[in-house]
Amino acid sequence: GENVEQHPSTLSVQEGDSAVIKCTYSDSASNYFPWYKQELGKRPQLIIDIRSNVGEKKDQRIAVTLNKTAKHFSLHITETQPEDSAVYFCAASKASGTYKYIFGTGTRLKVLA
Amino acid sequence: DVKVTQSSRYLVKRTGEKVFLECVQDMDHENMFWYRQDPGLGLRLIYFSYDVKMKEKGDIPEGYSVSREKKERFSLILESASTNQTSMYLCASSPRGEQYFGPGTRLTVT
Repeated sequence: GENVEQHPSTLSVQEGDSAVIKCTYSDSASNYFPWYKQELGKRPQLIIDIRSNVGEKKDQRIAVTLNKTAKHFSLHITETQPEDSAVYFCAASKASGTYKYIFGTGTRLKVLA
Repeated sequence: DVKVTQSSRYLVKRTGEKVFLECVQDMDHENMFWYRQDPGLGLRLIYFSYDVKMKEKGDIPEGYSVSREKKERFSLILESASTNQTSMYLCASSPRGEQYFGPGTRLTVT
């Protein structure tokens, strides 16, 4: 069945360093890729998304890259801060109908002060 | 602001009980979803609905059913709760694209 693999499951970085989280999807028809951040005890919230007609998208310290040929996409966080500590989920979806997501298993990011 | 609410933050039920979890959204979204979240497994889709009275199974529908009688309300039903259904349950709604999540219900089945 459709699947999204996410790595690493945990990631610790020093404050100010960069963090990279990688996801691979199986369904070549997927064309919408959101990233969600879930802080401890809170609901997941969208932080950035990318559609398959775009190779890269940036929003301040956050960027997402997409390689359609290899079927993988990555989240890059630069100049990490303690408030970036959270669980991050990638997802893949087809941008039609219900936009049903297949989520990755999550990455727990710890930013060490 | 989109508002998605869930009927309970914490719920404790006994094995064999029928359990209702309710989700309400105030943005007239067509699509609504129920997930369960377990450590190391991410968010797994149980059921989703794309219109009133319309529903489709997600990846793990066994032991669950759903009801959507009104556009703003999507209910998850555990017909006979079992201990392996102890989990965090998250509801989401979506127009097209971004999904907006509720605060979650932590269900414990003893």
